[in-house]
Amino acid sequence: DGGITQSPKYLFRKEGQNVTLSCEQNLNHDAMYWYRQDPGQGLRLIYYSQIVNDFQKGDIAEGYSVSREKKESFPLTVTSAQKNPTAFYLCASSTGLAGVNDEQFFGPGTRLTVL
Amino acid sequence: KNEVEQSPQNLTAQEGEFITINCSYSVGISALHWLQQHPGGGIVSLFMLSSGKKKHGRLIATINIQEKHSSLHITASHPRDSAVYICARGSQGNLIFGKGTKLSVKP
Repeated sequence: DGGITQSPKYLFRKEGQNVTLSCEQNLNHDAMYWYRQDPGQGLRLIYYSQIVNDFQKGDIAEGYSVSREKKESFPLTVTSAQKNPTAFYLCASSTGLAGVNDEQFFGPGTRLTVL
Repeated sequence: KNEVEQSPQNLTAQEGEFITINCSYSVGISALHWLQQHPGGGIVSLFMLSSGKKKHGRLIATINIQEKHSSLHITASHPRDSAVYICARGSQGNLIFGKGTKLSVKP
């Protein structure tokens, strides 16, 4: 079955620790995205990548880093510099650029809690 | 200021009712997306439209480009329709999202 997987589903982190969230897709999509969702707010874009070995900052990239070494994988690292990392993180992918004319497919999400 | 505004924020309906969720945006778009987020957090794409109207089962999405407004309608609503419905507009390679409308359909 084609789709997007994210792991883990729940993640707990101590303050000051870096943590990496996994996102894998087997849809052969070129574009991949990371969003953050907080209660009462719309999804906000952290980073996106249109092609392997290239990525761009979104609206709230500070305190986060990404890599795109393979087409299928787009891991997100939440660093200790992120002041308020507790949130629900969603990964998505699309054939081309979602803002133009392509449907976006979402993973199940990872809920990160900083203790 | 969020560029995509949805109304209402919360909506409670009785099973069988006709439901309308509204979305307004402030700038021109290439495409308008409607998404559904289930209580567990997973999001699925319902519609992507740039003009007119689309229908899938009991769901209908319409858009008025001149008025920068879109609506999502659910006919014969059912408790399994309970979810958060999110509107998003295309913007330079990604999406700008509304805050969502939480729908609860009571049996």
